[in-house]
Amino acid sequence: AQSVTQPDIHITVSEGASLELRCNYSYGATPYLFWYVQSPGQGLQLLLKYFSGDTLVQGIKGFEAEFKRSQSSFNLRKPSVHWSDAAEYFCAVGTGGSGNTGKLIFGQGTTLQVKP
Amino acid sequence: DVKVTQSSRYLVKRTGEKVFLECVQDMDHENMFWYRQDPGLGLRLIYFSYDVKMKEKGDIPEGYSVSREKKERFSLILESASTNQTSMYLCASSSGTALGGYTFGSGTRLTVV
Repeated sequence: AQSVTQPDIHITVSEGASLELRCNYSYGATPYLFWYVQSPGQGLQLLLKYFSGDTLVQGIKGFEAEFKRSQSSFNLRKPSVHWSDAAEYFCAVGTGGSGNTGKLIFGQGTTLQVKP
Repeated sequence: DVKVTQSSRYLVKRTGEKVFLECVQDMDHENMFWYRQDPGLGLRLIYFSYDVKMKEKGDIPEGYSVSREKKERFSLILESASTNQTSMYLCASSSGTALGGYTFGSGTRLTVV
């Protein structure tokens, strides 16, 4: 069965510093991978997604993620963090199945705090 | 853009009440989902539906039921609300394969007193 692990529950970075949030997945075939962001009291917003092709994908708000099959990872990065990036971030994996298998599996989330 | 609309942002109910949380999506999505979110526990799937009148239990279905009579609407029902059901509830929808990911509603913060 597929699973997703976000090893870091909480991360604090200074404004302007670079950011990397880790995500490891477990799935036998090529996964479909997603990163979501959730601002306090809000729903989740899709940042970016990977299906196939170029392993470096660009998303909204200046985020990017790199798919590394050999490491079963899909880490999210941003070169320079802004205070408005403080939020909770979720990684998710899907199989592309349909019917009752058309679900995503979510990681536990990483809370990002940004220091001024 | 797909919109997923949850009928209430904040709700306060009394213990023992029957509670309905409504979710409507406007993009003809096959799949709809209900999650609850609690600090430190991530997103936990309550129920999902992959077609009208079709439903499957998620990880924590106890104390909840769902209804999907029309494709665009997915209702979560708390048969007899209890204080341990105080939580943030998130609705989401997706295509049948979820290749485009989910689209989430803004959430309903339910407090049971």
